[in-house]
Amino acid sequence: DIQMTQSPSSLSASVGDRVTITCRASQSITNYLNWYQQKQGKAPNLLIYAASSLQSGVPSRFSGSGSGTDFTLTISSLQPEDFATYYCQQSYSIPWTFGQGTKVEIK
Amino acid sequence: EVQLSESGGGLVQPGGSLRLSCAASGFTFSSYVMNWVRQAPGKGLEWVSVISGSDGTTHYADSVRGRFTISRDNSKNTLYLQMNSLRAEDTAVYFCAKAQSRDIGVTAFDYWGQGTLVTVSS
Repeated sequence: DIQMTQSPSSLSASVGDRVTITCRASQSITNYLNWYQQKQGKAPNLLIYAASSLQSGVPSRFSGSGSGTDFTLTISSLQPEDFATYYCQQSYSIPWTFGQGTKVEIK
Repeated sequence: EVQLSESGGGLVQPGGSLRLSCAASGFTFSSYVMNWVRQAPGKGLEWVSVISGSDGTTHYADSVRGRFTISRDNSKNTLYLQMNSLRAEDTAVYFCAKAQSRDIGVTAFDYWGQGTLVTVSS
């Protein structure tokens, strides 16, 4: 199975900050990497697919990059509604696996 | 508007069985791959199972293979998860999730239900 490791596990940031979350795969997954946002008590929401494609309806302050084993989710200017937990997920091979999550909290 | 709505969760004793349902609307259900993903209390996301749109191809996580069975009724736009021999570690919120793709493969989960809680305890 492909292991996905996110860093950091949590971070504190202020509204307006630029936030970067990284995700590393245990082997190359080319660009088959997706990012989700999950708010407390809610279902996950797809933000980015195929490493860098913005899902319809997702604000442009979210962006993704990377290929191979190293990927990044960037929020260019953190908004109050962005405080949540973010997960990466590889869709390269079954079993599809998620990172452990990164909780973004208010500083 | 795509909508997914899970039902069937509840409290069950270890070794027991439960069947979850996911009612879908707002898209051509039979054309899309569907998944179950679970989340134990306070933990991260774990993919459980996938089923293709029409030919019935399925795959399972090692943790549930042989105990859980995914199925679908395209005439009722409904996805199912039959869970047998339940264990305490199966306690989780179970989400159904639609795949972007019409084929099992390199795809993201673009729509999710609200989830249904399964608690396995004596």
